[in-house]
Amino acid sequence: DGGITQSPKYLFRKEGQNVTLSCEQNLNHDAMYWYRQDPGQGLRLIYYSQIVNDFQKGDIAEGYSVSREKKESFPLTVTSAQKNPTAFYLCASSKTGVRSGAAPQETQYFGPGTRLLVL
Amino acid sequence: GIQVEQSPPDLILQEGANSTLRCNFSDSVNNLQWFHQNPWGQLINLFYIPSGTKQNGRLSATTVATERYSLLYISSSQTTDSGVYFCAGKETSGSRLTFGEGTQLTVNP
Repeated sequence: DGGITQSPKYLFRKEGQNVTLSCEQNLNHDAMYWYRQDPGQGLRLIYYSQIVNDFQKGDIAEGYSVSREKKESFPLTVTSAQKNPTAFYLCASSKTGVRSGAAPQETQYFGPGTRLLVL
Repeated sequence: GIQVEQSPPDLILQEGANSTLRCNFSDSVNNLQWFHQNPWGQLINLFYIPSGTKQNGRLSATTVATERYSLLYISSSQTTDSGVYFCAGKETSGSRLTFGEGTQLTVNP
């Protein structure tokens, strides 16, 4: 089955600890995205990548880091610099990045999410 | 960046009722998409609709790009339609989607 997987489903972080959230897709999509969702809120963009070995900051990148070494994978690290990391994290992908203008290949598909809690 | 306003913020329906959700944008957008988030958090893409009208079963969407709004229609609602509906768009000179705050829909049996 083609799709986007995220792991773990739940993640607990201790004070001062870095944690990494996994996102993998087998849709052969070029673009991948990380969003943060707080309770009762919309989605805010953390980082996005339109091609391997390249990524850009979104609206709330501080305290987070990413890598894009493979087309299929876009892991997100929540660093100790992120003082309020408790949230629901969603990974998405699209065939092309939103800059391309090639609709509907910009349609975004989401993974099931990871809930991060601070101990 | 653009502002995305969704209305109403909350909506409670009886099963079988129809509803209309609205999304307004502060500036011209393209790449307009509607999503449904189920109670477990999974987001499903409903429509990619930068302009015009599309239908998919009991759901349809209309975007009037010149007036910067989009509507999502749900007919004969079912309890499984419950969840949060988000719209998102990209400003014409931008490179990322901006999401609205969502409409929380509850359909009671």
